[in-house]
Order: sequence, then structure tokens, then C-alpha cells
Amino acid sequence: GQNIDQPTEMTATEGAIVQINCTYQTSGFNGLFWYQQHAGEAPTFLSYNVLDGLEEKGRFSSFLSRSKGYSYLLLKELQMKDSASYLCAVRDRDDYKLSFGAGTTVTVRA
Amino acid sequence: DTAVSQTPKYLVTQMGNDKSIKCEQNLGHDTMYWYKQDSKKFLKIMFSYNNKELIINETVPNRFSPKSPDKAHLNLHINSLELGDSAVYFCASKRGGNYEQYFGPGTRLTVT
Repeated sequence: GQNIDQPTEMTATEGAIVQINCTYQTSGFNGLFWYQQHAGEAPTFLSYNVLDGLEEKGRFSSFLSRSKGYSYLLLKELQMKDSASYLCAVRDRDDYKLSFGAGTTVTVRA
Repeated sequence: DTAVSQTPKYLVTQMGNDKSIKCEQNLGHDTMYWYKQDSKKFLKIMFSYNNKELIINETVPNRFSPKSPDKAHLNLHINSLELGDSAVYFCASKRGGNYEQYFGPGTRLTVT
């Protein structure tokens, strides 16, 4: 099984940087995903890490350390539209099952 | 065109009723999922089908029964609805391999 922890809430100012941490304990690991979910909407894919290191995609970057069971999502140049819940999800070795953390609600203030 | 669609978007019903939620994906994906997201926003896997075959069946009451008539469709039937079934149910799909899942818009089920 998976045990995935991430902070419940974070608040930041427009234009700033926010880092959302995710730690996991897993019986098998086959990749880590970050999803964004705006209130009342479906989760949408942001990033995927399976090897250690940093993956950059525009204003969003995601980092993985498999030995530490740790990942973070970095949001740069925050915009009001970035206010959303960010979900960390770990894929089990069986390749089909994705276990989600409870999500981190990010509020961007002007 | 919508990639993953669900109907209905909202469903309000009384305890004890039986209801179905439908999901269709036009992405040609092999694997489809049902998730439940409760009031605390925790997204939990319920079922998964791969090429019409059930491959994940989490600890879900047997009042919930998924059906996959073909690779593009995965429906969820719920018998004898209870208050605790109130949640948002998301359908998702994925192609083979280590790829991301695409989620439908969700069905908000309210049991009164």
C-alpha cells in the first residue's frame, strides 16, 4: 500500500514562489504524478517523475528523490488562477493503480 | 471534443434508491477507472478495467457494481444508496504504459 503526506493548505502572494512537499512510503514505486484541481472541476495532469531529479515545465517544476521518498512541486511567478488544490499521486508497481494524497490547497493573494 | 465524459453531472436521490453513472472516453485508451472524492477532497480509487477486464477492485461495498460493455465505456451502478455514498465520482482513463490519467468532469451524487 501507499502512505502519502502533503500539507493541507498554503497561502502565497501573486508573483511569489511556492513549494509543495510530498512524502510517501510505498510497498512498490513506479512513478509520481502531480495533478491540479480547481474547485468543482476535474483533476488535470501537471507533471510526472520516475527518476530522481528535477523536471521543469514552464512555471511549474517537480522534483523526486526516490531514496528519501520525497517529491516537491514548485510553482513560480504565481498567478491568481493558480489557486487550486494540488494532488500528489504515487503509482504502484502494478502500473495500473494510482494512490493520491489528500491534496494541498494553495491560495494566491493579490 | 470532450475526451472523458460522464453523465449525469449532478444526481440527487433518496436513500434506498438504485442509480447508475455513465462514463465514455474517446481517446482510445485501454484502461478506465472510477474514483470517489469525499467532502474532504480525498480522491480514492474504486475500480479499474483494462480492455473490459476488471483489474482493480478496492474495498468497496458490493452495492457498487462496475460494468464495461466495451473499451470506451465504464459505467457504475449503485444499489440501495446510503447517505455516506454522497460524494463526487470521477471517471478516468489512461493508455497503456506509464502515462497520466485523464479525468472526466465528475458526477456529484447527493443522497438525501
